[in-house]
Parts: sequence; structure tokens; C-alpha cells
Amino acid sequence: DAGITQSPRHKVTETGTPVTLRCHQTENHRYMYWYRQDPGHGLRLIHYSYGVKDTDKGEVSDGYSVSRSKTEDFLLTLESATSSQTSVYFCAISDMFNNEQFFGPGTRLTVL
Amino acid sequence: KNEVEQSPQNLTAQEGEFITINCSYSVGISALHWLQQHPGGGIVSLFMLSSGKKKHGRLIATINIQEKHSSLHITASHPRDSAVYICAARETSGSRLTFGEGTQLTVNP
Repeated sequence: DAGITQSPRHKVTETGTPVTLRCHQTENHRYMYWYRQDPGHGLRLIHYSYGVKDTDKGEVSDGYSVSRSKTEDFLLTLESATSSQTSVYFCAISDMFNNEQFFGPGTRLTVL
Repeated sequence: KNEVEQSPQNLTAQEGEFITINCSYSVGISALHWLQQHPGGGIVSLFMLSSGKKKHGRLIATINIQEKHSSLHITASHPRDSAVYICAARETSGSRLTFGEGTQLTVNP
């Protein structure tokens, strides 16, 4: 299995609080992605990174920011969490853009 | 209408049956991915293909680029194949990967 971990795995927070999710990889892959998965929708891309300090928006980026200060770590931040951001968040990595992707175990976030 | 449509949404089969899951897409693509999401939530990449057919064990994926259609077949299905199967289309530009909503497969013993 590709070495990808996510932390925390579960989090419950209140509306208006900041939340940071971490994705860590040991594969030295260039590309890292954050997705959210919701009932009735396929996986949707929030942000992605194509290198250290190089990031770009996906289709559902509003309300989210990301940072990548090291190859192995990609952080997703919700500056002020809202109930609509209750979801399961997956991190993924790939060696080439939108090539075969390896997924982390997911983080279940509940915003009350 | 979603750009990537999967059918059926839900599928129940008996152990040993041959299973087919379909994926159709409306955009021009350079590759199509098939993923498996286990009941515990983990997602695993099964195939990435841009033409023809690929086989891995009891799983076979086919694609017809001109007809904008791909199928995932499972031969001699087993209860451990129970999962959600997801297809994702990579647009020709390579800039976007669009996911289907998934097909929930249940294989009963």
C-alpha cells in the first residue's frame, strides 16, 4: 500500500472554528490532492498541489485553503468551518497529474 | 446531467455470478479510472486505461473511446467483492478528473 496517512481520522467541531487536516506521504510523489465525498456526489476536488508551495484550486475550493511546505505534507484548512463542510475528506497522491492516484484513509469531519 | 454516469447505482448478486458495471461520459477523455471503495471507506485504484482492455485477476475493464463508454466486469463474484465501484474520466486536456457517483455492489453468499 502507498504510504499515505491522514490526521485526524475523525473530528467534530463547531461552526465558526478553524480546522486543519493533514495529509502525509512517504512516496515522494509530486502531486497531492484534497477531495471531499458527499452522498449524491462523486468525489470532488477541493485543491491540489504540484510541488512545494505550488497549489491550485479545484471545483469546490470556496471556504478552503491549502499549504504545502514540504513534499510529504499537504494541509487543508477550513478557516471558519460551516455545516456545509461536514463531509468525508480524502487526500490522494500521484506521480503525474491526474494519473493513477493513491488515496489516504479519509477524515470524517462533522461541523455542528 | 453529470458528465460521468454510472449504472446501475445499486447491484445485488449471488456469489459466483458474472457482474458488469457501466460508465458513460460526455466529455472527450484521455483516460478512465476505475476505483474500489471498501465498506470501511478506503479507496483503491483498480485500473487506469485509455483503450482496449485490462485484466487483473477476476477483474476486467474495457473502454470504447468512440462510444464514450467503459465497463468493469467481475468474474466468479465473491462476497469480498462487495464495495462501491467508482469510475473517473480524465479530460483530454488532462486538467480535470470527473468522478461518477459510484455503484454499490453487494455479493451474497
